[in-house]
Amino acid sequence: GNSVTQMEGPVTLSEEAFLTINCTYTATGYPSLFWYVQYPGEGLQLLLKATKADDKGSNKGFEATYRKETTSFHLEKGSVQVSDSAVYFCALSDLYSSASKIIFGSGTRLSIRP
Amino acid sequence: GAVVSQHPSWVICKSGTSVKIECRSLDFQATTMFWYRQFPKQSLMLMATSNEGSKATYEQGVEKDKFLINHASLTLSTLTVTSAHPEDSSFYICSARDRRTSGAYEQYFGPGTRLTVT
Repeated sequence: GNSVTQMEGPVTLSEEAFLTINCTYTATGYPSLFWYVQYPGEGLQLLLKATKADDKGSNKGFEATYRKETTSFHLEKGSVQVSDSAVYFCALSDLYSSASKIIFGSGTRLSIRP
Repeated sequence: GAVVSQHPSWVICKSGTSVKIECRSLDFQATTMFWYRQFPKQSLMLMATSNEGSKATYEQGVEKDKFLINHASLTLSTLTVTSAHPEDSSFYICSARDRRTSGAYEQYFGPGTRLTVT
């Protein structure tokens, strides 16, 4: 079945450091890939998505590229801020299937030191 | 656009009582809504899929008599935790799905409800 594996946290970085959170997936067909962010005490917000191979999703300085050959969707940001401290979830879904559910990774907690 | 609200945002109840959580899609009609449960420092666990006008489909291991789901309209789904116990304390998140003109089924998440059972 479909699954998502992402790097375990917590990840602690200093402000302005480069961030990479690894995510790989297993899926049949052609899923869409997502990164969601959850700030403390809040629900999920969609951070970015990519719907086909080689697509790059980007938002708020974060980027991720849909790599079919390596089945990966790693999240990157060139210079993190304290306000980026949150839990990040990689996920997949078939956007065009009425029966599809979102499959989430286990989440990676990111803490940024000032 | 595509805003989903939940009410209440947090609730404390005594063991043995029932609690109802509402999930509303504010600016779109959602034929399908989903209910998730999240334990501290863990990922989201899908509890059930709620389709307007029909019975909810529960995931394996979720007690349907304990977690009652009603999707009475295209903009409202409710989750009732019956005879709540401390182990039901958790963060409950709903989402609502909207089919866009592109044909894609986009899913939007509510802000979550924190339930504490004492």
